[in-house]
Amino acid sequence: GENVEQHPSTLSVQEGDSAVIKCTYSDSASNYFPWYKQELGKGPQLIIDIRSNVGEKKDQRIAVTLNKTAKHFSLHITETQPEDSAVYFCAASPGGTYKYIFGTGTRLKVLA
Amino acid sequence: NAGVTQTPKFQVLKTGQSMTLQCAQDMNHNSMYWYRQDPGMGLRLIYYSASEGTTDKGEVPNGYNVSRLNKREFSLRLESAAPSQTSVYFCASRQGLNTEAFFGQGTRLTVV
Repeated sequence: GENVEQHPSTLSVQEGDSAVIKCTYSDSASNYFPWYKQELGKGPQLIIDIRSNVGEKKDQRIAVTLNKTAKHFSLHITETQPEDSAVYFCAASPGGTYKYIFGTGTRLKVLA
Repeated sequence: NAGVTQTPKFQVLKTGQSMTLQCAQDMNHNSMYWYRQDPGMGLRLIYYSASEGTTDKGEVPNGYNVSRLNKREFSLRLESAAPSQTSVYFCASRQGLNTEAFFGQGTRLTVV
């Protein structure tokens, strides 16, 4: 079945620096790769997603890159701010199924 | 604009008791999901419903049952609660394949 691995589990960066979180997936038929942000006491919310027909997508300070050959995708946050501190999850949706599998999460701390 | 609504928000059960977690969405989404979130374990899929009238097992279905009551509602039942089921439960919905999932605020369940 589909397996999604996420690294690192925790990440501390200085305000203004960049943060990178990586995920790998096992099902080569997967074709949708979202990233979610979860703040304390709330449900996860989508921040960016990418489909398998593109290699990179950017939205202001956030970008996602996809390498289908290596079966991994990454979240890049530039010019980090204290409000970026949260838990981030990647997910994958195996091709042809409605399953939606999440990585184990990365706790990002942005130090002022 | 309510989105995904879960009830209750908090619940304490004694071992062996039963209860049903309710979830309703007002976005006319076809697919609905139940996840549990434990520290360091990310979001694990319990059951999902691709469309009204269908349900399928996820990664950790043992000890749970679900009912897709109609297009709006998807309930999760614990027949005989165990301490290992202490967790935060999230319901989510999405329109279909390769689309964003929207999450409820979660139900914090403690089994003593």
